[in-house]
Amino acid sequence: AQKVTQAQTEISVVEKEDVTLDCVYETRDTTYYLFWYKQPPSGELVFLIRRNSFDEQNEISGRYSWNFQKSTSSFNFTITASQVVDSAVYFCALSEGRTGANNLFFGTGTRLTVIP
Amino acid sequence: GAVVSQHPSRVICKSGTSVKIECRSLDFQATTMFWYRQFPKQSLMLMATSNEGSKATYEQGVEKDKFLINHASLTLSTLTVTSAHPEDSSFYICSARDLGPVGEQFFGPGTRLTVL
Repeated sequence: AQKVTQAQTEISVVEKEDVTLDCVYETRDTTYYLFWYKQPPSGELVFLIRRNSFDEQNEISGRYSWNFQKSTSSFNFTITASQVVDSAVYFCALSEGRTGANNLFFGTGTRLTVIP
Repeated sequence: GAVVSQHPSRVICKSGTSVKIECRSLDFQATTMFWYRQFPKQSLMLMATSNEGSKATYEQGVEKDKFLINHASLTLSTLTVTSAHPEDSSFYICSARDLGPVGEQFFGPGTRLTVL
């Protein structure tokens, strides 16, 4: 069965610190997609990244970077030089199948608070 | 990028009334839409998969007679919470899958339902 675990329920960091949000997943499918979403207090989900199971290359987008390790079934997310605007709940999610457009299984989320 | 809207964004109703939530894909067609529910400080859980022109597929534990889903066109799916009770108070989010070869999924902004 599929499962997404975000062991960190809440994290607090001081502005400008780096922070890594952990995500571990389980699936029997050989083809799947992993996602990260940001949910600010307004509630709307903000898409951050989508990665398929065949692409283990790490990705960097500005202050954001992602480390995908199939060997440990992890897809961790790092924010460098955190800012107050990064405060939100972050969800890791899994979609099984070859398109990534099937329903998503979400982790329980990590609430990040960046202290000025 | 593709846009998905939800209406209303917020609704407060009395116990026993029915509430209809609309999910629209504004600039693309979607044969499949998903309905998720998020209780306060919890993760998103899939409620049902809505397919245009056919019956919705409900997840285990979700009452199909209570949560009526209609996907009458390629751009509109509706979720009706019938005889709502306080325990139905939640954040309801829809997503729509486009028809393209990649079949990406786009989320609506969510509807916050409060049942008094």
